[in-house]
Amino acid sequence: DGGITQSPKYLFRKEGQNVTLSCEQNLNHDAMYWYRQDPGQGLRLIYYSQIVNDFQKGDIAEGYSVSREKKESFPLTVTSAQKNPTAFYLCASSIQASQPQHFGDGTRLSIL
Amino acid sequence: QQQVKQSPQSLIVQKGGIPIINCAYENTAFDYFPWYQQFPGKGPALLIAIRPDVSEKKEGRFTISFNKSAKQFSLHIMDSQPGDSATYFCAASSGSNYQLIWGAGTKLIIKP
Repeated sequence: DGGITQSPKYLFRKEGQNVTLSCEQNLNHDAMYWYRQDPGQGLRLIYYSQIVNDFQKGDIAEGYSVSREKKESFPLTVTSAQKNPTAFYLCASSIQASQPQHFGDGTRLSIL
Repeated sequence: QQQVKQSPQSLIVQKGGIPIINCAYENTAFDYFPWYQQFPGKGPALLIAIRPDVSEKKEGRFTISFNKSAKQFSLHIMDSQPGDSATYFCAASSGSNYQLIWGAGTKLIIKP
């Protein structure tokens, strides 16, 4: 079954701690994206990557970091610099940038 | 100019009714308008999309109407069912830009 797998489903962060959210896709898509979703708001783009070893900041990149060392993987690190990290994080991929995006089932991050 | 304004924020319709969700945009460079459906705890799933060369597109019970001159597009759900209860998001992008601009979402409840 082709798709996007995000893990873990739930994650808790202590103050001053960095945490990493996993996103893996087996769709052979070139482009991958990370979004943040807060209640009552649309999705906001954190980072995107159009190709391996390349990524660009989205609208709300501060306090986050990513890497794209493999085509199928695009992990997101929420650093201690992100002061309000509680949100639902969604990973997406598309064949190429500007093509329809397909989403994983998200990771819900909370602060302990 | 990058915003997509979605309304209403929430909507309750009786089974069999036709809920209508509206979106408006300012950027005339937008040329791709998808609608996504999201169930609680899941990622959004692409429902239907339209490009501005057509005024209407149907897929099953879902129809997008597009008014280029008014810079508005809407989603109609025919013969709505309780299983259609979800949050619906409109979005827009331009061919020259990978980035999807999202509406704030509409929480739809279909009453049995």
